[in-house]
Amino acid sequence: QQQVKQSPQSLIVQKGGIPIINCAYENTAFDYFPWYQQFPGKGPALLIAIRPDVSEKKEGRFTISFNKSAKQFSLHIMDSQPGDSATYFCAAQNAGNNRKLIWGLGTSLAVNP
Amino acid sequence: DAGVIQSPRHEVTEMGQEVTLRCKPISGHNSLFWYRQTMMRGLELLIYFNNNVPIDDSGMPEDRFSAKMPNASFSTLKIQPSEPRDSAVYFCASSHRTSGNEQFFGPGTRLTVL
Repeated sequence: QQQVKQSPQSLIVQKGGIPIINCAYENTAFDYFPWYQQFPGKGPALLIAIRPDVSEKKEGRFTISFNKSAKQFSLHIMDSQPGDSATYFCAAQNAGNNRKLIWGLGTSLAVNP
Repeated sequence: DAGVIQSPRHEVTEMGQEVTLRCKPISGHNSLFWYRQTMMRGLELLIYFNNNVPIDDSGMPEDRFSAKMPNASFSTLKIQPSEPRDSAVYFCASSHRTSGNEQFFGPGTRLTVL
C-alpha cells in the first residue's frame, strides 16, 4: 500500500522553467513532510521540509506548497537550472511513529539547457 | 565529520554467496536506517535502529536478510544466501533528534548478484 503517492514519474523542462512535483498522502497523523534530492551515484539529501501548520515554505529557488485539507503537497523549483537535474523524493513522517519516513517513488527531473 | 560511511561501494557476487554490507553512522547520531533502492520499487526502508535497538524490521524482505548494530558506530546488513533479485543499491542513513528529522545518507553500496 503506497501511503505517499508522487507524480509525475519523470519531468523534462527547459532552463528557467518551473517544474512542479506533486505528492498526496492518506494518513492524517503525518506531521512532517520533507523533500529529498538525489544526484546519480549519490545518496538522497534533504532539500526542504514543511510542517502542516504552514501552507508554504521557501528556501532559495525551492518552494513547498501544502494543502492540509486536500492532503497534498508539492515542490516548485523557480528558475530551474541544468544543475537541478536529479531525482526528487517526497516523504512523510508521523511523529508518533518514531523516525520512520514513508517515501514517494520519486520523480526524475531533467532541465535542458 | 566525514558523514555516513558505507563499505564496500560496489559488490559483485554469485548467487548463493553471503554478502555483508557495512555502515558507520555520523558520530553522535542515535538512529540508523537501512534502505534498498531499485528502479521498480524506489526507495524501501528495510530496518531501522534507535540507540542500537531494532525498532521496525517490517521492510526486511525475508529471512535471508539480517541486520545488526553491535554498537553506536557500526551496523551490518547481511544477505545469506544472496539471489539475483537482491541486486540493488543499499543505503545507510543516520539521524539524531538534535538535527531535527533529517536523515543523512551514505553514498550507498551497489550490489550485483550474478
